[in-house]
Amino acid sequence: NAGVTQTPKFRVLKTGQSMTLLCAQDMNHEYMYWYRQDPGMGLRLIHYSVGEGTTAKGEVPDGYNVSRLKKQNFLLGLESAAPSQTSVYFCASSHTGQRYEQYFGPGTRLTVT
Amino acid sequence: DQQVKQNSPSLSVQEGRISILNCDYTNSMFDYFLWYKKYPAEGPTFLISISSIKDKNEDGRFTVFLNKSAKHLSLHIVPSQPGDSAVYFCAASHNYGQNFVFGPGTRLSVLP
Repeated sequence: NAGVTQTPKFRVLKTGQSMTLLCAQDMNHEYMYWYRQDPGMGLRLIHYSVGEGTTAKGEVPDGYNVSRLKKQNFLLGLESAAPSQTSVYFCASSHTGQRYEQYFGPGTRLTVT
Repeated sequence: DQQVKQNSPSLSVQEGRISILNCDYTNSMFDYFLWYKKYPAEGPTFLISISSIKDKNEDGRFTVFLNKSAKHLSLHIVPSQPGDSAVYFCAASHNYGQNFVFGPGTRLSVLP
């Protein structure tokens, strides 16, 4: 039981490049989330999903897209990376009945130059 | 404007003593609160939660207190252990929804 895994762990992009972050969970959770964490700030919700095939915007969705084609996977895409997207990205998942208890992945450190 | 504030960026406590981490919020609509703990290079892990219908919730060495009139909550760790050294995040939501607002975190150091 690996819990929540994120790929890759580190990435450096140039401005304008695109990339996809992959989140996978093996706990059969319905809910999945993408957050970003910047220095001196708490985690901010980018997008979330309440089930396969559904997604919704969080607090800071601009510049990101997501997809949830399979229940266990939640993808976060950056179509045209900007230096302001330099951050640590965390994926999380939770069970419907206990959606307040979110299980987080280890994070992806993204630098955009 | 931060809706959830943790005004102490860091806190040092002696092993065996009580650690008190504080959190203030501005949105009176918040009705559910969480504490998460985070070690370096790891994702946050859920610690304890409290609903606005309660003023206290306890789980082992961890107790969360909620003062709705003051829009303040605190996490007490008794006794503190070196393994408790981590960053602690407070989070809040309203309508028991999915969207949690996180505070900036407090780094706790428990000294042996």
